[in-house]
Formats: sequence, C-alpha cells, structure tokens
Amino acid sequence: KQEVTQIPAALSVPEGENLVLNCSFTDSAIYNLQWFRQDPGKGLTSLLLIQSSQREQTSGRLNASLDKSSGRSTLYIAASQPGDSATYLCAVRQSNYQLIWGAGTKLIIKP
Amino acid sequence: DAGVIQSPRHEVTEMGQEVTLRCKPISGHNSLFWYRQTMMRGLELLIYFNNNVPIDDSGMPEDRFSAKMPNASFSTLKIQPSEPRDSAVYFCASSRAGGHNSPLHFGNGTRLTVT
Repeated sequence: KQEVTQIPAALSVPEGENLVLNCSFTDSAIYNLQWFRQDPGKGLTSLLLIQSSQREQTSGRLNASLDKSSGRSTLYIAASQPGDSATYLCAVRQSNYQLIWGAGTKLIIKP
Repeated sequence: DAGVIQSPRHEVTEMGQEVTLRCKPISGHNSLFWYRQTMMRGLELLIYFNNNVPIDDSGMPEDRFSAKMPNASFSTLKIQPSEPRDSAVYFCASSRAGGHNSPLHFGNGTRLTVT
C-alpha cells in the first residue's frame, strides 16, 4: 500500500533563505507526482507536476525533483518570501487514477 | 478562466438536515473529484467522475452521501441526513481528459458545520 510522508510537519525560516521541502513514498511504481500549496481557508493550488519519466520541473523560484528509485521528491524554494507562507502538499498518482496525499508541511517565512 | 466554483462557501446546519454542496468545474475539464478535508484524516477522495459518469465512489462514507453530475458543468454532493461528524471542508476539483497527466484544479471549498 502506497504511503506518502512529508517531514517536517512545520518549518519556519527567515525571509530570503533558500529551503527544501521533502516528500517520500513507499512504492516507486508511480505515474506522476504533484506539489500543491494551500493557503488558509482556500483550496489547493497546483504548483508543479513531474511525470515518472522526468527528474525535475521548474517554475519561477520553485524547482521540484523526483528520484523514483529512492522514493523521494523535493521542492526547492529559492529566495523565500513571506508570500510563500502556506501549507505545501505532495501527492503521488498511482498507475490507476488514485492520488495518495501527504499530510503537508506548514511553511512560515518570517519577514 | 474562472476556476472551479463551489457554493456555498460556508454552511451551518443542524443534525438531521439535508445539505447540498454545488460545484462548477473549469470549462473543458471532464474529470471531476469531490474531496473532504479534516485535521484528523487530511484529504479524502469521496467520488470521481469522468465525462459525467461516476467512476469510483468507494470513498463515499455512507449511504447518507450521494453525488450527481447531470452535465459537464455542474455537480452536487448531497448529505441526507447530516451528522456532526460530517463537519469538514469539502473540495471539488477538476482536470482535463483522463486526469492522469493533468494537474488538479481545486475550488475554494465549502466549510460545513453540522451542530
């Protein structure tokens, strides 16, 4: 059974720092992996989607990597800003349509 | 693009009452998902539609829950009768054909409180 883990559950860093959020999964037979952010009282916003054949995806200050063999993905945020404060969730797409969700990392960027 | 639109944003009701949540997916998206989010259990998939047809409703907690998608631009999730343990944020999400390689787009959710 696929399990997705995000550690730490919460992270607080000063503005301007580069940071890495981690996502690990137990079954490497995945279709793709997605990173989302969720702001308080809002829905989830898709940030990056990495296909199982890809190693990384980039969007602006965000870079997501995928290492299927080790069951790991990272989300790298460069030059963090207070507006990056949110909860970040990763979700693994199984070979069927199902998405398996991590519990999220709550990120706080201190001005 | 207006995004996924859900209504109402907040719903407070008494135990035993019927609750109907509404969703308008993004135009052109033909996969639609209803999720429930709580602190204890995180995000749970309730039901998934593809081309208006329910594909998997195994996540629907009980017979008190039902969902319909009468056309490509509208879906409802109904709880009858509602119970306090149904209190949660309910999200609707949509994606393009098949949904496997397409990002999910979420609405802002309906926060349901059953007293």
